[in-house]
Amino acid sequence: AQKITQTQPGMFVQEKEAVTLDCTYDTSDPSYGLFWYKQPSSGEMIFLIYQGSYDQQNATEGRYSLNFQKARKSANLVISASQLGDSAMYFCVLSGGEKLTFGTGTRLTIIP
Amino acid sequence: DTGVSQDPRHKITKRGQNVTFRCDPISEHNRLYWYRQTLGQGPEFLTYFQNEAQLEKSRLLSDRFSAERPKGSFSTLEIQRTEQGDSAMYLCASSPRLAGPTDTQYFGPGTRLTVL
Repeated sequence: AQKITQTQPGMFVQEKEAVTLDCTYDTSDPSYGLFWYKQPSSGEMIFLIYQGSYDQQNATEGRYSLNFQKARKSANLVISASQLGDSAMYFCVLSGGEKLTFGTGTRLTIIP
Repeated sequence: DTGVSQDPRHKITKRGQNVTFRCDPISEHNRLYWYRQTLGQGPEFLTYFQNEAQLEKSRLLSDRFSAERPKGSFSTLEIQRTEQGDSAMYLCASSPRLAGPTDTQYFGPGTRLTVL
């Protein structure tokens, strides 16, 4: 069975500061993918970043980077220089096959 | 390239009525997924299609739920005899067929269902 754990239900961060959203996972699949999605209040799920289980380097996409520690089974999202538009729900997601397994999410609020 | 679209965006219905939602995936994406998201939770997988073939269904998908993708393009999700517990956001996603569990799924805006 696959499981994603996000232990931070909510976070408040000052604008322009960096923020780390925690994620741990559990899977028995030898090959898997880890994703982060952002869900603003409008409801649409927006893909941010992807990390493959065999990738040697941590993934980066603009202001987003994924701190992947395979031995610890963690895949934390780091957002540098946060902006007001970053306020949203963030989901850590595990893919071991055809379907995605979502965590419970972290609600991030950026304070001006 | 347009994204995934869903229609309607909102649906309010009375308990016992049937409802149908439509999803149009990104063109040339041959995989299409349905998820359900209840308030305060992450989305949960319901079913997925490879072209017109429905390849997997979750146990969450009771007999009152049926999904189709008749021509391998758009898909419909029908809920018969709706119950208040069906109130949720129904999300559709699509992905291209690549190798391994690494396909990125791109989501539509969702259909928010309220059953009174």
